[in-house]
Amino acid sequence: EDQVTQSPEALRLQEGESSSLNCSYTVSGLRGLFWYRQDPGKGPEFLFTLYSAGEEKEKERLKATLTKKESFLHITAPKPEDSATYLCAVQVVRDDYKLSFGAGTTVTVRA
Amino acid sequence: DVKVTQSSRYLVKRTGEKVFLECVQDMDHENMFWYRQDPGLGLRLIYFSYDVKMKEKGDIPEGYSVSREKKERFSLILESASTNQTSMYLCASTNPGTGIGKLFFGSGTQLSVL
Repeated sequence: EDQVTQSPEALRLQEGESSSLNCSYTVSGLRGLFWYRQDPGKGPEFLFTLYSAGEEKEKERLKATLTKKESFLHITAPKPEDSATYLCAVQVVRDDYKLSFGAGTTVTVRA
Repeated sequence: DVKVTQSSRYLVKRTGEKVFLECVQDMDHENMFWYRQDPGLGLRLIYFSYDVKMKEKGDIPEGYSVSREKKERFSLILESASTNQTSMYLCASTNPGTGIGKLFFGSGTQLSVL
C-alpha cells in the first residue's frame, strides 16, 4: 500500500528562522510528487510538482527538492504570512486519477 | 481567476438524513473529485469523475454516492448521514492536460452530523 508520511506534525518558527519540512513516501512507481499550502478555513492551494530525483523547484521563500525516498520543503527566512499547513501528495504510475496525501505539517511563524 | 465553489461552508445535519453537497467549477475542467479531510489522516479520496455522467470510486466510497449531470457540477450525496461522516469535505477539479497533481480546490464544507 502506498504511504506518505510528513514530519514534523507541527513546526513553530521565529521570523527569519529557516527550516525544512519532510515528506517521505513508500510507493511502487512514483509518477509525481506535489506540494500544497492550506490556510485555515480554505482548500489546499497548489505549490509545486516534482517528477524525478534531483529535481528542485522554487517560489519566493519556498524550495522543494526530491530524492528517491523523500521530498523536502525548505522555508528560507520565513515571514508570518508563511504560516499555513503544508501538504504533500504523490501520484503513482498505475493511477491516472488518484493522489495519496500526507497528513500535513502545520507551520507557525512568529514575528 | 479560476474558481471552485462549494455550496455551503458549514452544515449541521441529523443522523439518518440525506445530505447533498454541491460543487461547481467555472474552468471547464473535465475531472472533478470529492475528498474528505480529517485531522491526522490527510485528504482521502471518496469519488471522482473524469467526464460527465462518469464516476469512479476512490478509497472510501462507502456511504456516499455522486452525481455529475453537467460538466461544471459534481454533487456528493450522503444517503443516510452518520456521525462518522462528520468531516471537512473538499471538492477539486483539474484537466488531464494540466496534470492530475495540480488540483484546484474549493474552500470546503465542514459537515457536522449529530
